[in-house]
Amino acid sequence: KQEVTQIPAALSVPEGENLVLNCSFTDSAIYNLQWFRQDPGKGLTSLLLIQSSQREQTSGRLNASLDKSSGRSTLYIAASQPGDSATYLCAAMEYVNKLVFGAGTILRVKS
Amino acid sequence: DGGITQSPKYLFRKEGQNVTLSCEQNLNHDAMYWYRQDPGQGLRLIYYSQIVNDFQKGDIAEGYSVSREKKESFPLTVTSAQKNPTAFYLCASSGRTAHNNQPQHFGDGTRLSIL
Repeated sequence: KQEVTQIPAALSVPEGENLVLNCSFTDSAIYNLQWFRQDPGKGLTSLLLIQSSQREQTSGRLNASLDKSSGRSTLYIAASQPGDSATYLCAAMEYVNKLVFGAGTILRVKS
Repeated sequence: DGGITQSPKYLFRKEGQNVTLSCEQNLNHDAMYWYRQDPGQGLRLIYYSQIVNDFQKGDIAEGYSVSREKKESFPLTVTSAQKNPTAFYLCASSGRTAHNNQPQHFGDGTRLSIL
């Protein structure tokens, strides 16, 4: 059974710092790996989707990498801003459109 | 604007009562999903539907039921058999492709509590 783990559970950094969020999964037979952002009391917003054949994806200050063989993905946020404060969730797609989520990393960027 | 609308935002259930959560999308997506989120935990899949008039159980379907009579609508009923219904419920949709490269789009959720 696929299990997804995110480390750390919470992170507090000063504004402007570069940071890395980690995601690991137990079964490497995935179709893709997705990163989402969730603001308090809200739904999820898709940030990046990495296909199983890809190594990384970039969008603005965000860069996500995928290493299927080791069961790991990282989300890199450059030059963090207070507006980046949110919960970040990763999810592995097991088979057609079925996502398995991690518990998330709560990020606080202090101004 | 295209998107997913969930209603109500807050819902209270009495003992022994069934309640229905609404989810409507105007993204023309084939696939729709219902997730449950508990504090400090990731999302868990309740039910999903790849196409109209068809749906499958997810990991925690017991005590829940769904229907998919229209492409844009996927209501979730929380029955009295669900003994611990207090949670944040999220609906999502995605385009159905052979390459699984479509991200899921989420609504803003319904928070269900027991009276």
